[in-house]
Amino acid sequence: EAGVTQFPSHSVIEKGQTVTLRCDPISGHDNLYWYRRVMGKEIKFLLHFVKESKQDESGMPNNRFLAERTGGTYSTLKVQPAELEDSGVYFCASSQRDSWMNTEAFFGQGTRLTVV
Amino acid sequence: AQTVTQSQPEMSVQEAETVTLSCTYDTSESDYYLFWYKQPPSRQMILVIRQEAYKQQNATENRFSVNFQKAAKSFSLKISDSQLGDAAMYFCAYRSVVGYGGSQGNLIFGKGTKLSVKP
Repeated sequence: EAGVTQFPSHSVIEKGQTVTLRCDPISGHDNLYWYRRVMGKEIKFLLHFVKESKQDESGMPNNRFLAERTGGTYSTLKVQPAELEDSGVYFCASSQRDSWMNTEAFFGQGTRLTVV
Repeated sequence: AQTVTQSQPEMSVQEAETVTLSCTYDTSESDYYLFWYKQPPSRQMILVIRQEAYKQQNATENRFSVNFQKAAKSFSLKISDSQLGDAAMYFCAYRSVVGYGGSQGNLIFGKGTKLSVKP
């Protein structure tokens, strides 16, 4: 079974440009999360999808970030226009629909974004 | 709001020896989950071990075990018989019970501890 995959693995863009990150969750996983780690700091929650619906986007830094999950499959996270402080590693995670047992989240390897 | 603190940015251990990584957290919730994740260089983050707060018994997974002190809000990870493949970033994470206080199951992470294993 394929794990969570993220594209690209690395991206270097200039300030003001647009970048789109993609996450393919494990097949059948309804929950999809985006996280970000800025260098030297904690991994921070960005948002959570259940299927195609945004359940919680309280962690999105500002309106330059737009996440979508059309059809409840893969998700994209677009940053437009990118700023220097957006540099970091963006992680995606997926899990089965939560029951009271709170199932495990599986992570992708992350996309390292560098804005210059 | 919950917070997670990992006070050791870097640790080093000799192969075959034991190392303990520290983690403390702050919460007003009585039931929750705690996790240790491992991220090898350029690879996916994987779950090492999890602990349910309502369980008094410390979780164990092969060479990995935790020392969960609920009253002290401490959750350390012990790696026994360290191997070269244990070298990685280790993240401690907290998760509320889904549905409690509106939680949707997102994780709250510490800054991580970089573990090096010397041959």
